[in-house]
Amino acid sequence: SQQGEEDPQALSIQEGENATMNCSYKTSINNLQWYRQNSGRGLVHLILIRSNEREKHSGRLRVTLDTSKKSSSLLITASRAADTASYFCATLNTGNQFYFGTGTSLTVIP
Amino acid sequence: DAMVIQNPRYQVTQFGKPVTLSCSQTLNHNVMYWYQQKSSQAPKLLFHYYDKDFNNEADTPDNFQSRRPNTSFCFLDIRSPGLGDAAMYLCATSGDPPNTEAFFGQGTRLTVV
Repeated sequence: SQQGEEDPQALSIQEGENATMNCSYKTSINNLQWYRQNSGRGLVHLILIRSNEREKHSGRLRVTLDTSKKSSSLLITASRAADTASYFCATLNTGNQFYFGTGTSLTVIP
Repeated sequence: DAMVIQNPRYQVTQFGKPVTLSCSQTLNHNVMYWYQQKSSQAPKLLFHYYDKDFNNEADTPDNFQSRRPNTSFCFLDIRSPGLGDAAMYLCATSGDPPNTEAFFGQGTRLTVV
């Protein structure tokens, strides 16, 4: 399969808690990107981390990358009900192929 | 301003009747991608272009074809749509890697009747 794996598949938390999603992929990459998608809507780009970076922050988002383990994590701190969405990681490999992981469905309960 | 534009947003086609979806970009990006996304699933890469070089995914059915007549435009042709081809089709662009994000259009939702 071209897709990487994400876990958990679904995550339900209370507002104010932190949410962590994990992504594993299969090949060497140039970069890894995280996207959010609300139900029935388009993809919203969240953050890009390059293969030579280990950690990146953007507002309430923190992304880590471990290329030796071919894995990444997305942490959303102090979650809000508006963060409810599906989250996907996507990897750009050296052949310009851009593959998505299987996604995590996040529900934040007010 | 929208940078990756997909037309139409919604397309209804008859079983077996060829259909073309279009994508245009104002970013002058080298790479253009087409994805199929079914309900509650991740986007699945069908193929991509690097400039005029076409790169098909091994598991993309022959029923799906693509054309890129110039940098700005890319088309997805479905030669004989089946009921299983009903999905959201997403177009994306990317500049030279490794440091550019991929920009996505809003998608075309295809219904096959």
